[in-house]
Amino acid sequence: SAVISQKPSRDICQRGTSLTIQCQVDSQVTMMFWYRQQPGQSLTLIATANQGSEATYESGFVIDKFPISRPNLTFSTLTVSNMSPEDSSIYLCSADLGLATNEQFFGPGTRLTVL
Amino acid sequence: QQPVQSPQAVILREGEDAVINCSSSKALYSVHWYRQKHGEAPVFLMILLKGGEQKGHDKISASFNEKKQQSSLYLTASQLSYSGTYFCGTVFQGAQKLVFGQGTRLTINP
Repeated sequence: SAVISQKPSRDICQRGTSLTIQCQVDSQVTMMFWYRQQPGQSLTLIATANQGSEATYESGFVIDKFPISRPNLTFSTLTVSNMSPEDSSIYLCSADLGLATNEQFFGPGTRLTVL
Repeated sequence: QQPVQSPQAVILREGEDAVINCSSSKALYSVHWYRQKHGEAPVFLMILLKGGEQKGHDKISASFNEKKQQSSLYLTASQLSYSGTYFCGTVFQGAQKLVFGQGTRLTINP
């Protein structure tokens, strides 16, 4: 398994500002993922963050709104840009340990509220 | 394509059994089961890879049908600690990303 930490754990932001969420894994992993989870809803994949290449975004999510960095094999950031109240959600990162089984382990999440 | 979970919610008394189903319209490479408690991260329970596979630990087990389009999670003699929302995550052949079902909220009452 892997231990994954996220910062901040929660934040309250003003409309129009940006927030960068950090995700740290305690071991080197090939693939990291960013999800969004609305209260009481399922997890929706935003993008896959690959080290050394551009992130791969899912339909409905764009790089200008959710820029992602992956500078090394243990760290990634997700920025939520030009925020609006609709961006209020929980943002989770996960890591694929690189096993053939594609097991993913999740960080504790960042609870974002946009006013 | 999001897998379909059923039921959406279950309320049990402690000691009762529950079955949660996860169905896909296409054959899957694997099925992953997670449990998420309120305000916490999803916790990995188990993964199934082979058609016809059954596996489990303690009183939580799961199966994957031969066609690899349906999985079921079995919780027997439920405990209060089993409460939470259960998600199945599916991986299609050739893909590496998980697509999650809508979740099943399980409530265990004393």
